Amino acid sequence: AQSVTQPDIHITVSEGASLELRCNYSYGATPYLFWYVQSPGQGLQLLLKYFSGDTLVQGIKGFEAEFKRSQSSFNLRKPSVHWSDAAEYFCAVGSLNTDKLIFGTGTRLQVFP
Amino acid sequence: DVKVTQSSRYLVKRTGEKVFLECVQDMDHENMFWYRQDPGLGLRLIYFSYDVKMKEKGDIPEGYSVSREKKERFSLILESASTNQTSMYLCATQTQSSYEQYFGPGTRLTVT
Repeated sequence: AQSVTQPDIHITVSEGASLELRCNYSYGATPYLFWYVQSPGQGLQLLLKYFSGDTLVQGIKGFEAEFKRSQSSFNLRKPSVHWSDAAEYFCAVGSLNTDKLIFGTGTRLQVFP
Repeated sequence: DVKVTQSSRYLVKRTGEKVFLECVQDMDHENMFWYRQDPGLGLRLIYFSYDVKMKEKGDIPEGYSVSREKKERFSLILESASTNQTSMYLCATQTQSSYEQYFGPGTRLTVT
């Protein structure tokens, strides 16, 4: 069955520290991969996406993610976290075979000054 | 920019009431989706529509129905609200040539 796993429910980092949020997927077809961010009380905003090509993709707000097919992973990274990055982050996967996306359960990021 | 609006940000209803949640988009996207979001469960798909008057059940359609009479508008209906439908409801749109989804701000529904 298709699935997306975000192993970390809650992560706390200090402002200025580096960040890596993990995402693993199980998908039979070639996956399309997304990271979304949700600020408190808001809808989801697309951070970045991977369809094909270069496995390191750049997104908005200084985020990047790397697709590793051998590890079935698409981890999100940021070299230096800002207090405004505190939010919930969702990984999602889709494919050519379906219009639907499957979302992970999310990782809540807390940033300390 | 894609704009997806939802009729209410917060809604409080009583058990047994019929509830309508509306979603409107301004980008002529073919596909529209309704999700509910609960802590620890992520987003779960309720229904989606890939054209006017077309709909398909998602993963958790029980207790819900939908209506899409116009391309820009997708309504979620709770025929008889129950307390276990207290949740955040998110609408999203998507073109059929792309796979990224664009979300509205959400409606936090409380059923008492």
